Amino acid sequence: ETGVTQTPRHLVMGMTNKKSLKCEQHLGHNAMYWYKQSAKKPLELMFVYNFKEQTENNSVPSRFSPECPNSSHLFLHLHTLQPEDSALYLCASSHGGDQETQYFGPGTRLLVL
Amino acid sequence: GQNIDQPTEMTATEGAIVQINCTYQTSGFNGLFWYQQHAGEAPTFLSYNVLDGLEEKGRFSSFLSRSKGYSYLLLKELQMKDSASYLCAAKDSNYQLIWGAGTKLIIKP
Repeated sequence: ETGVTQTPRHLVMGMTNKKSLKCEQHLGHNAMYWYKQSAKKPLELMFVYNFKEQTENNSVPSRFSPECPNSSHLFLHLHTLQPEDSALYLCASSHGGDQETQYFGPGTRLLVL
Repeated sequence: GQNIDQPTEMTATEGAIVQINCTYQTSGFNGLFWYQQHAGEAPTFLSYNVLDGLEEKGRFSSFLSRSKGYSYLLLKELQMKDSASYLCAAKDSNYQLIWGAGTKLIIKP
């Protein structure tokens, strides 16, 4: 139990669907992150929120839309995805910004058909 | 550009010792992390080095040489449960984490 939960754990969607990934952290942290993990590739940082404000958007396509309503919750809204977006999407949190030690959730395994 | 290099895969025997190397090239440096990730699970924090030298934590140790841009993770008395991927990540001058692709460690009985 890492203190960071993600739902759903697995998701299959068509290219025309709209879905959302949810992340919740129970660690009292102030920063939250979305990463994409593809096989045999480094983790790709997508978005960073610090005290609910987005501080990082690493040239992520607009078909990915993050939302951070409070310091404990983070969403990733998905629409009109492409097959190459199939990957493991990991959420992480840390006490502060500056990418201190991050604690990860188990991820959502996404398959886009 | 910024880059992290680590071997793609390693194999070791139960009870033995294995060293997983990581070299980094970053714009500035503010520390290096090692994470363990079992298949289908979350990466979990193992160690953080910011000063040169060896940090020991039970069966796991992590070493850093800032002048060489080099780190290693040493695993002793290997157990089957140590089969996992090990991720190396360096923090640059902007506190951005630069991640390696991970080393898949296979432990054989």
